Amino acid sequence: AQSVTQLDSHVSVSEGTPVLLRCNYSSSYSPSLFWYVQHPNKGLQLLLKYTSAATLVKGINGFEAEFKKSETSFHLTKPSAHMSDAAEYFCVVSDPSGAAGNKLTFGGGTRVLVKP
Amino acid sequence: NAGVTQTPKFQVLKTGQSMTLQCAQDMNHEYMSWYRQDPGMGLRLIHYSVGAGITDQGEVPNGYNVSRSTTEDFPLRLLSAAPSQTSVYFCASSYSGQGGYTEAFFGQGTRLTVV
Repeated sequence: AQSVTQLDSHVSVSEGTPVLLRCNYSSSYSPSLFWYVQHPNKGLQLLLKYTSAATLVKGINGFEAEFKKSETSFHLTKPSAHMSDAAEYFCVVSDPSGAAGNKLTFGGGTRVLVKP
Repeated sequence: NAGVTQTPKFQVLKTGQSMTLQCAQDMNHEYMSWYRQDPGMGLRLIHYSVGAGITDQGEVPNGYNVSRSTTEDFPLRLLSAAPSQTSVYFCASSYSGQGGYTEAFFGQGTRLTVV
């Protein structure tokens, strides 16, 4: 079974300061990991994905995440927050072998507030 | 470039009514799924399909039915709506490539209220 824990339900940052969203996962397989962003009343947009290539993954809008197998973590960072980064972020794990179809397991989400 | 299209965007039902949420994708993806989103719980898998004619239950299937007669369409049926089914519903699709399935592509969601 796989599971995802997002360690902060809410994060508040000032514009121009770094953002750190923490994610720990558990999986019986070598997982694929994703970060999605959801702006208010919108669908989910892929920020970045890890699929067993480079452990440091760069995504859209200046976000990046580092896969650390020893710590079972996949934290999301951005050096400088922008007002448009205010949204909810989801860490997601899947079994890449397809043994369970493409079942995605979502974390509970982290809501980011950006202060001017 | 339609991607994944869900209809309707909003719906209000009375307890006991039935309805079908529509989902269509134009990317020829073999894998489709339905999720519900509730505050603080992320998205939870309701049902999924790995191809036309093949469906299976996810984490929270009770009260919902699905079928997959074509690759493109994957409707979700609520048999007898209950207030506990008030939620935002997302349809997603993906395909299998080298090393397994790709990321999921999501529709814009259907906000359902059961009164």
